Amino acid sequence: DTGVSQDPRHKITKRGQNVTFRCDPISEHNRLYWYRQTLGQGPEFLTYFQNEAQLEKSRLLSDRFSAERPKGSFSTLEIQRTEQGDSAMYLCASSFIRLAKRTDTQYFGPGTRLTVL
Amino acid sequence: GQQLNQSPQSMFIQEGEDVSMNCTSSSIFNTWLWYKQDPGEGPVLLIALYKAGELTSNGRLTAQFGITRKDSFLNISASIPSDVGIYFCAGQHPVRTNAGKSTFGDGTTLTVKP
Repeated sequence: DTGVSQDPRHKITKRGQNVTFRCDPISEHNRLYWYRQTLGQGPEFLTYFQNEAQLEKSRLLSDRFSAERPKGSFSTLEIQRTEQGDSAMYLCASSFIRLAKRTDTQYFGPGTRLTVL
Repeated sequence: GQQLNQSPQSMFIQEGEDVSMNCTSSSIFNTWLWYKQDPGEGPVLLIALYKAGELTSNGRLTAQFGITRKDSFLNISASIPSDVGIYFCAGQHPVRTNAGKSTFGDGTTLTVKP
């Protein structure tokens, strides 16, 4: 396994359309994170899964956003009725957590660059 | 919410020079991470720090976890053109209290002139 993969790498869409992104984490990683990054900023946390359970969602994640990880492996992030403000890089990261471990070293994918016209 | 202040915002240096950048926080972190990001790519993990005072090296890179747990620095020695990119620091609270999610600084953009 070569790392976290994301598809597509680039997406251009018109305002109001729905888009869906996919993330395939490093195999055997049980945690999967979604972040959003705009130009000149660091990544901002959106949501995360432990196995198939979505455990936390940021206030940045409006009702138009939904994420799933149905079998605890790959994840999808859907944005409905896209707005120009949704234009950003959407990053996925994965990690392996053990109960006794206090840290969470996350490895990022290459990202999906979304442009909403 | 908590913020990470990363400085400098950008650096222009000559090949062969050493580089130093740092991150400070208003709150305590249990883990500090340093990433490098190339244009159009995701961040790549460079160094992870897990204990206050820890000093860790990865080739020409050295990072330290501050004693106060509110800061960290990254040094790059003898810079080369491929060091060009954006360097991000990220802090984490303990997994059990805050899910292990990372809070990122806004990056230091490094330009190396041959």
